[in-house]
Amino acid sequence: EAEVAQSPRYKITEKSQAVAFWCDPISGHATLYWYRQILGQGPELLVQFQDESVVDDSQLPKDRFSAERLKGVDSTLKIQPAELGDSAMYLCASSTLVEAYEQYFGPGTRLTVT
Amino acid sequence: ILNVEQSPQSLHVQEGDSTNFTCSFPSSNFYALHWYRWETAKSPEALFVMTLNGDEKKKGRISATLNTKEGYSYLYIKGSQPEDSATYLCAFRRDDYKLSFGAGTTVTVRA
Repeated sequence: EAEVAQSPRYKITEKSQAVAFWCDPISGHATLYWYRQILGQGPELLVQFQDESVVDDSQLPKDRFSAERLKGVDSTLKIQPAELGDSAMYLCASSTLVEAYEQYFGPGTRLTVT
Repeated sequence: ILNVEQSPQSLHVQEGDSTNFTCSFPSSNFYALHWYRWETAKSPEALFVMTLNGDEKKKGRISATLNTKEGYSYLYIKGSQPEDSATYLCAFRRDDYKLSFGAGTTVTVRA
């Protein structure tokens, strides 16, 4: 069964350092999402791609976060510099279309900023 | 950011007992209501997608109901087993297809 892959699974970094997460969606899925889940809260959408284009990054803190999906396949989310408040679970999901009912999630990257 | 509330935040259930918990969401601009099960160290897994008022879905011992007019959904677990221990997330999808998640209900089943 096809799955969304994410790496690393866990990351510990010091504040002010740069950190990057990688996501490989299910093959053929045009839409890719990055979510952040802070402890005690639900996942919140950071950025949504349709193929290689960003269609929604309204909740992405653009002063320190960036995301790319250069060839419309895998994607990288970067934080520079990391802050203590960035400690969270970062989830990637993909779907065939924006309006598709199903989003398939990866296992997430647990980030701890010290 | 839309207000999707889940209650309770956590619950402990004895093996064999049944339980249920709630998701409340806005009653306007409804497109779909999703339930996910998220076990520790695994990916969130889709349980149900419900789109019509009055929908009832069932998967094994787990079932869900939907009331879009009043903005709530219930998820039921019948005869809880240890493998049902997980966080159950609901997500409200509005008519622009965006998902808003609740914070989840964490279920712990005690043997």
